Amino acid sequence: LAKTTQPISMDSYEGQEVNITCSHNNIATNDYITWYQQFPSQGPRFIIQGYKTKVTNEVASLFIPADRKSSTLSLPRVSLSDTAVYYCLVGNNSGGYQKVTFGTGTKLQVIP
Amino acid sequence: NAGVTQTPKFQVLKTGQSMTLQCAQDMNHEYMSWYRQDPGMGLRLIHYSVGAGITDQGEVPNGYNVSRSTTEDFPLRLLSAAPSQTSVYFCASSRTSGPQETQYFGPGTRLLVL
Repeated sequence: LAKTTQPISMDSYEGQEVNITCSHNNIATNDYITWYQQFPSQGPRFIIQGYKTKVTNEVASLFIPADRKSSTLSLPRVSLSDTAVYYCLVGNNSGGYQKVTFGTGTKLQVIP
Repeated sequence: NAGVTQTPKFQVLKTGQSMTLQCAQDMNHEYMSWYRQDPGMGLRLIHYSVGAGITDQGEVPNGYNVSRSTTEDFPLRLLSAAPSQTSVYFCASSRTSGPQETQYFGPGTRLLVL
């Protein structure tokens, strides 16, 4: 299984930018990096996915350095509603979801 | 589209009882899976299916059974419930089995085994 390492928890004040870094030293050449968000009492939901450099959507940005051994999820100007657990996944279609582990994720607590 | 639906939302069982957790999706997805989530832990894969008639075991399959007779439905059966199966169960689906595809999760079923 492609293994990822994330901080267990982070705190941030409202309005700040939050960066969550995920390490994936053994990422394979054709692996993609995907982030999911899980609110309390809900199932996870897709946030963003990338392969290299930078990806941005209406929710977040994903920064991937050239060596792809880590990635950083950036949430601009967080609000209380961004309090959630964020999971980093690494894998590719040939391996299937059964080869991907969600891990424990990073619990983000946004403080007023 | 309703997406991924799960029933029931909450269930209490006694040790030794059996039950079926229902999961359905209306997106014509090939891939469906069941996860369990315990406090302080991530999601662990129980069983998965890459299409109707095809199922396989995930990381923690013991004590659970699945079948996939249609594309839409993927029920999870607890054969003889044990307190260790107290957990929140999530069903998910995606267009194909690859992590490059977005996986859509249901709202979850909270199960308490006494």
